[in-house]
Amino acid sequence: EVQLVQSGAEVRRPGSTVKISCEFSGNSFTDYCIHWVAQAPGKGLEWLGLVDPKDGETMYAEKLRGRITITAGTSVYIPSMELSSLKSEDTAVYYCAAGKIGARLSAFHVWGQGTMVTVSS
Amino acid sequence: EIVLTQSPGKLSLSPGDRVTLSCRASQTLIANSLAWYQQKPGQAPRLLIYDASTRATGIPDRFSGSGSGTDFTLTISRLEAEDFALYYCQQYGGSLSFGQGARLETK
Repeated sequence: EVQLVQSGAEVRRPGSTVKISCEFSGNSFTDYCIHWVAQAPGKGLEWLGLVDPKDGETMYAEKLRGRITITAGTSVYIPSMELSSLKSEDTAVYYCAAGKIGARLSAFHVWGQGTMVTVSS
Repeated sequence: EIVLTQSPGKLSLSPGDRVTLSCRASQTLIANSLAWYQQKPGQAPRLLIYDASTRATGIPDRFSGSGSGTDFTLTISRLEAEDFALYYCQQYGGSLSFGQGARLETK
């Protein structure tokens, strides 16, 4: 059974960078694309991007291109997401999620518990 | 980008009621690439339905999904107390995106 456990809450100043990790446990790490989703307080879900651990290929939402970096962490099965040039509107809970085996675009069958990132001066 | 519009945005219902939530896509979704999630306060979303009509593992059969093309629905045949939550649709036919959500609350 696949499980995703995320790193803890973070507080950052505007303009800084945050990196969140998502430890994967279970079989066949390279079979599952890892996605990242944001949820601002009281708001809906926003897809941010994905990484395919088979080859390290990434896809990003256009809105964040240039500020977001997602890596697979293939040697230790700990994918991560880094967001730079933080703004107050980046304050959100960030989730990692695993897609369907072998598919880049799919529903998200397994979710991490979420990581709260607060951006405040 | 494919935009998903959910309706209604909020429903007030009672346990035992039947409910249908709608999700309309701005473009046809290939291979019925649509999922439904349930989210409760302070929790991560939980996958209910994928590929428009396939129940995810462990999801009770009171949840069902249907639709094709641009119009999709999630039906809960008889609401139970634990079903009062937020529901999101998601498309994965062209990049990925979510609907704005629909809240089921107790009347």
